Amino acid sequence: AQSVTQLDSHVSVSEGTPVLLRCNYSSSYSPSLFWYVQHPNKGLQLLLKYTSAATLVKGINGFEAEFKKSETSFHLTKPSAHMSDAAEYFCVVSERGTGRRALTFGSGTRLQVQP
Amino acid sequence: GAVVSQHPSWVICKSGTSVKIECRSLDFQATTMFWYRQFPKQSLMLMATSNEGSKATYEQGVEKDKFLINHASLTLSTLTVTSAHPEDSSFYICSALQTSSTDTQYFGPGTRLTVL
Repeated sequence: AQSVTQLDSHVSVSEGTPVLLRCNYSSSYSPSLFWYVQHPNKGLQLLLKYTSAATLVKGINGFEAEFKKSETSFHLTKPSAHMSDAAEYFCVVSERGTGRRALTFGSGTRLQVQP
Repeated sequence: GAVVSQHPSWVICKSGTSVKIECRSLDFQATTMFWYRQFPKQSLMLMATSNEGSKATYEQGVEKDKFLINHASLTLSTLTVTSAHPEDSSFYICSALQTSSTDTQYFGPGTRLTVL
């Protein structure tokens, strides 16, 4: 079984300051991990993914995430927040090797960026 | 590349009617598509997995007779909400698994269904 826990339901930062969105996962198999972003009333956009290559993954729009197996974490970071980053962020896990391709979503973190 | 479209983007219908939502992969082939449901301010819940040319696999608690899924081609899956009721009002999102990829899903923009 797999699960994802996003530790913060809401994060508020000032424009230009760093962003940290926390995610812990649980997986019986080697996981693939993703971060998706959803703007209001929009679909989901893939920010980045980890699939057992480099543990530090760089994504779009300056975001990156580090896979830490010992801590079962996959936190999302960005050095400097922009107003356009305000959105809902989902940490997602997929279990490779099970044949089942379905994704398990975290509960989401709403990022608010203050001017 | 890897664009997924949904049609319609929003629909309002009367209780008891049926509504069909289309999900298309525009520039790639997708042997597997997924349908999700998202309630306001909540996460996405997987409803079913749709495989081209075979029956869909439904998640526990999802009524297959109410949510009919057809995946007739490598670029199109449809979700039909039959005899819709107000509690079926939700945001429905599809995703497509790129055949050449291991497990990256590309999501459609979603369809907002409102049942009066």
